Amino acid sequence: DAKTTQPTSMDCAEGRAANLPCNHSTISGNEYVYWYRQIHSQGPQYIIHGLKNNETNEMASLIITEDRKSSTLILPHATLRDTAVYYCIVRGRSGNTPLVFGKGTRLSVIA
Amino acid sequence: ETGVTQSPTHLIKTRGQQVTLRCSSQSGHNTVSWYQQALGQGPQFIFQYYREEENGRGNFPPRFSGLQFPNYSSELNVNALELDDSALYLCASSAGQQNTEAFFGQGTRLTVV
Repeated sequence: DAKTTQPTSMDCAEGRAANLPCNHSTISGNEYVYWYRQIHSQGPQYIIHGLKNNETNEMASLIITEDRKSSTLILPHATLRDTAVYYCIVRGRSGNTPLVFGKGTRLSVIA
Repeated sequence: ETGVTQSPTHLIKTRGQQVTLRCSSQSGHNTVSWYQQALGQGPQFIFQYYREEENGRGNFPPRFSGLQFPNYSSELNVNALELDDSALYLCASSAGQQNTEAFFGQGTRLTVV
């Protein structure tokens, strides 16, 4: 079972920041937080991951709370192409551990 | 484009038949994972191969089997197809066994009638 809880759906106005929350209260010390997204009928796309520090790349920022029990994915300037299902995943350090997907958050970016 | 390619893109099979799906991993990646995604659900882990050996398996029956070849490409085989096997099958590749990102292919849409 997925170790994360996400809202089922969210809307965001085009050009505004999209803030997607994720709860992972049972995360253990050696587990990472990963974010993927899936645009309709395509394979999931990696966005970002982190352990405890905030992370930023060209796609998004990841803010992890100090107690690591929750995190927020931030898309700074959402566009219509960001409409997708966003998955927050907690994954162990070993490469043996698979990605366990929940149902994710369906983000709709509105013009 | 992730560099992970899957074939075929769509497939229709009859209940009871067998099917083979194929995946070419991204260059330099030696780990391949397979996922099944039913309509409206998140992907579910089937199994993973690392350097031609299965090193992880999800809650799927033995009629789901796989192979990884020396060039790290992979096959997913499903025997005795059931209607509930209708789904999008996704392949993901990653580099080594460290905690790195996985790159997914576009998937194979299997319909069992």
